[in-house]
Amino acid sequence: EAGVAQSPRYKIIEKRQSVAFWCNPISGHATLYWYQQILGQGPKLLIQFQNNGVVDDSQLPKDRFSAERLKGVDSTLKIQPAKLEDSAVYLCASIQKAGGSEKLFFGSGTQLSVL
Amino acid sequence: GQNIDQPTEMTATEGAIVQINCTYQTSGFNGLFWYQQHAGEAPTFLSYNVLDGLEEKGRFSSFLSRSKGYSYLLLKELQMKDSASYLCAVRDSNYQLIWGAGTKLIIKP
Repeated sequence: EAGVAQSPRYKIIEKRQSVAFWCNPISGHATLYWYQQILGQGPKLLIQFQNNGVVDDSQLPKDRFSAERLKGVDSTLKIQPAKLEDSAVYLCASIQKAGGSEKLFFGSGTQLSVL
Repeated sequence: GQNIDQPTEMTATEGAIVQINCTYQTSGFNGLFWYQQHAGEAPTFLSYNVLDGLEEKGRFSSFLSRSKGYSYLLLKELQMKDSASYLCAVRDSNYQLIWGAGTKLIIKP
């Protein structure tokens, strides 16, 4: 089966610029997550969607980060404006349904460098 | 607060056995996951424990003690390709995954 698709794979921008990441989860997976992973740390949840509704965005810096999943399938994450500390890998993951033993499937991630 | 502790880095020899420990303090418990993450790649699923005891899957085994808030991942017959970070994650009472910072495992020949 096809995995979680993410693009771009790498992105280099200057601070104060804008950037957007795209994710297409595994077909049929209702739950989608965006994680931020700084080098040497575990993934930090930014936002969780169930279909096209937001389940948890408590750790999303809403003054600069936004995300949407309009049709309950693919999703975009945007940063505007970017700061140096946003340099990280942004991982998208999906799951058929949240809870139980269902495991997350991750995309390859987008490595963002903010200069 | 919620907390997961893992050693930052471990070193082991090819062919040997290594145990990576994980202790957790979370609001409720609905399962513990271990993921493997090679440098520059996404995490991939290794194991899932929800009941106390040992789950064995080939060269990898995972143990859970809910009363002690403790788990370990046991890797046998280590191979060079096992060099990676190993992430422990706990699903809390709200079914949110709480992630540890990961243990970087270095395998030496």
